[in-house]
Amino acid sequence: DGGITQSPKYLFRKEGQNVTLSCEQNLNHDAMYWYRQDPGQGLRLIYYSQIVNDFQKGDIAEGYSVSREKKESFPLTVTSAQKNPTAFYLCASSTPWGNTEAFFGQGTRLTVV
Amino acid sequence: KQEVTQIPAALSVPEGENLVLNCSFTDSAIYNLQWFRQDPGKGLTSLLLIQSSQREQTSGRLNASLDKSSGRSTLYIAASQPGDSATYLCAVGEYGNKLVFGAGTILRVKS
Repeated sequence: DGGITQSPKYLFRKEGQNVTLSCEQNLNHDAMYWYRQDPGQGLRLIYYSQIVNDFQKGDIAEGYSVSREKKESFPLTVTSAQKNPTAFYLCASSTPWGNTEAFFGQGTRLTVV
Repeated sequence: KQEVTQIPAALSVPEGENLVLNCSFTDSAIYNLQWFRQDPGKGLTSLLLIQSSQREQTSGRLNASLDKSSGRSTLYIAASQPGDSATYLCAVGEYGNKLVFGAGTILRVKS
């Protein structure tokens, strides 16, 4: 089945620790995106990549980093510089031209303990 | 900067009722508008995509309209069912298909 797989579903981070969220897609999409969702708010764009080995900051990139070494994979690292990382993180993919819908993974819930 | 607003924030209706969800946006220079459904603790499921050159799209009991000049979109749900209960999110697509989301409408359909 074609789709986007995010792992893990739940993740717990200690203060000062870096953690990496995985996102894999087999839809052959060039573009991939990371969004953050907080309770009662819409999703906000963290980073996006329109092609392998290239990515750009979104609206709330501070404290996050990404890589795009393969077309299928777009991992997100939440660094210790992110002061309020507790949130629901969603990965998406699409064509970069806006002519197709965006497909989303099932999300990773990150909690600071 | 694009801002997307959804009204109402929450809606509770009896089963079988037709309903309308509203979405407004501040910048008409959009590539598309998408409506999504989100169940609690889950990812987003795409419902309808309207290209900037289109006025509406239909899928089953769902119909979405787009008026770029006034910065508005509506999602019409006919003959609502309890299974329609979810959060509905509106998002406008910008260059690169980056999405700007509204905060969503929480819909409850009572049986």
